[in-house]
Amino acid sequence: EVQLLDSGGGLVQPGGSLRLSCAASGFIFTGYAMSWVRQAPGKGLEWVSTIGGGGDIIFYADSVKGRFTISRDNSMNTLYLQMNNLRAEDTAVYYCARDTGTTVAFDSWGQGTLVTVSS
Amino acid sequence: AIRMTQSPSSFSASTGDRVTITCRASQGVRSFLAWYQQKPGKAPKLLIYGASTLQSGVPSRFSGSGSGTDFTLTISSLQSEDFATYYCQQYYTYPLAFGQGTKLEI
Repeated sequence: EVQLLDSGGGLVQPGGSLRLSCAASGFIFTGYAMSWVRQAPGKGLEWVSTIGGGGDIIFYADSVKGRFTISRDNSMNTLYLQMNNLRAEDTAVYYCARDTGTTVAFDSWGQGTLVTVSS
Repeated sequence: AIRMTQSPSSFSASTGDRVTITCRASQGVRSFLAWYQQKPGKAPKLLIYGASTLQSGVPSRFSGSGSGTDFTLTISSLQSEDFATYYCQQYYTYPLAFGQGTKLEI
């Protein structure tokens, strides 16, 4: 069974940093691109970043480019999102998501981890 | 960047109704379009990809159609568990983009 377990969220002050993790199991991790998608309270879904299975192909949304860094440790089956210089508008539930293997539609999602940026 | 627009943003329906949700892309995305269902406090669930391919395990009352810029999600006969928010997503090009969502209420 495919499982994605998000962790690392919490309360952080504006300008602060946080690292999210997503532990994957139940599938061959290197065979799939992985992404982060966020959802601000009461709002819709926003794609944040995607990393290819080998870690060499990376994309970011303009809203996070230069502040967030996506990475993966294929030996540990874990996806990361390093978030620096956080802003109030980064407050959201962050989900990790797996693509289908042949498309960048997301067929498996973590349970989400809440990041709150506030002083 | 491609912008995805759904309509309506919300609407009310009844069990047994046939419902159609529309998604329009600001430029062509061929058939690189997915639909998701999300219930409160839960992660989204993939329903359809490739504009019309039903994800494994999804009931056949869900169907998708369209290509290019105009897409639809149809639920042939609403069940109580279908009341949720639905999102379209284009994956034709980066940045990936979701529609703003359509909330389906009883």
